[in-house]
Formats: sequence, C-alpha cells, structure tokens
Amino acid sequence: LAKTTQPISMDSYEGQEVNITCSHNNIATNDYITWYQQFPSQGPRFIIQGYKTKVTNEVASLFIPADRKSSTLSLPRVSLSDTAVYYCLVGDVYGSGNTGKLIFGQGTTLQVKP
Amino acid sequence: NAGVTQTPKFQVLKTGQSMTLQCAQDMNHNSMYWYRQDPGMGLRLIYYSASEGTTDKGEVPNGYNVSRLNKREFSLRLESAAPSQTSVYFCASMMGELFFGEGSRLTVL
Repeated sequence: LAKTTQPISMDSYEGQEVNITCSHNNIATNDYITWYQQFPSQGPRFIIQGYKTKVTNEVASLFIPADRKSSTLSLPRVSLSDTAVYYCLVGDVYGSGNTGKLIFGQGTTLQVKP
Repeated sequence: NAGVTQTPKFQVLKTGQSMTLQCAQDMNHNSMYWYRQDPGMGLRLIYYSASEGTTDKGEVPNGYNVSRLNKREFSLRLESAAPSQTSVYFCASMMGELFFGEGSRLTVL
C-alpha cells in the first residue's frame, strides 16, 4: 500500500496560487493519484486525478514527475471558499472490480486569508 | 440519482448498545467503503467491500462488523458501542473515484 505524506497545514492569501505536494515513495504500477477536498461536516469530494505527467481541469492542475513518487496539486488564484482540507489518495482504483484498500493520509489544511 | 445515501444522519447511543449504519448507492459500483473521522482528524478505513459477496478489514476494524447485502447496500454494525466509537462515519462507493455519503454522526455516551 502506498503511504502518503503531506504538509499538515498551509496558509495563503486570496488570489495567490497554492501548491500542495504529496509524497508517495512506494507507489505501485497500477496506482492512480487522486486529490480530494473536504469542507467541515461534509464528505470529501473529488478534485482531480492523474497517472503521470500533468492533468488540468477547470479547478486545479496536477503535476506528477516521471518517477511518480510525488505529486503536486496546484490551485490557481485561491479564494476564501477554497479553505478546506486536501487529501492525496494513492491506489489502484481501476482494478477490474477488485480494488483494494484505499487509505487516506492526514491531509493538508489550507487556510486562505483575505 | 441520489448517489450514496446513509442512514441515520445522527444517532446517540449508550455504552453497550448496538446499532447498524445503513449505506446504499445507486451508481452500480462494485466497491464500497466505510470510514470514520474523529474531530479534527483524517479518515480511517474501517472495512471495505471490493465486490458483492466480499468484505475485508481496513485500518481500524475492531468493534465493527459489516455486511454487503447486495451490490447496492453495505451496512456497518456496532455490536457493543463504546465511547471511543464516537465519530462521524462516512460510506463511499468507488468507480475510479470515491463518492461519499453525507455522513452519520454517532455519539456514544
């Protein structure tokens, strides 16, 4: 199982770009990297997912180096509403119906200030 | 399309009581999961079911049992509740990404 390590907390200001890095040294060949956002009193929700190189969607970008042992979530021009906990999850999520344990790390609490 | 539905949303138990948390998904997903989240902490995996008819232990299975009743439903049972089981419980189903329910807030006195 790929163990993930992230910074516990980060502070930013509105309008800045925020980059959160996750370390996953023992990532397996079939593992994908998925980032989730969680607001208080809610379940986590999907932000972005990738396998290698760079992925971009309407809310974030995900950068994955060639060795795949880390990944960086990039949030452009954050606002106060981006204050949340961000989790990096690594696992085989397309395992033909027999996916295994999906273990969350401690997450990164992002505080966006005015 | 309701997604993942958990019941009850809130429950208060006394130590030693038993109860079952229900979870159902309407997305035809094979895999389902139960997590717990203590205040200010991350999510910890209790049990998961990779497909109908199979269940496996997660990180913190002690004190819990699960049943994958059919493809839609995955229940979590506390046989003898303890104060240490006070938490928010999240059920999720998975197809490429995890889809979470709204959570069940359990307090054990």
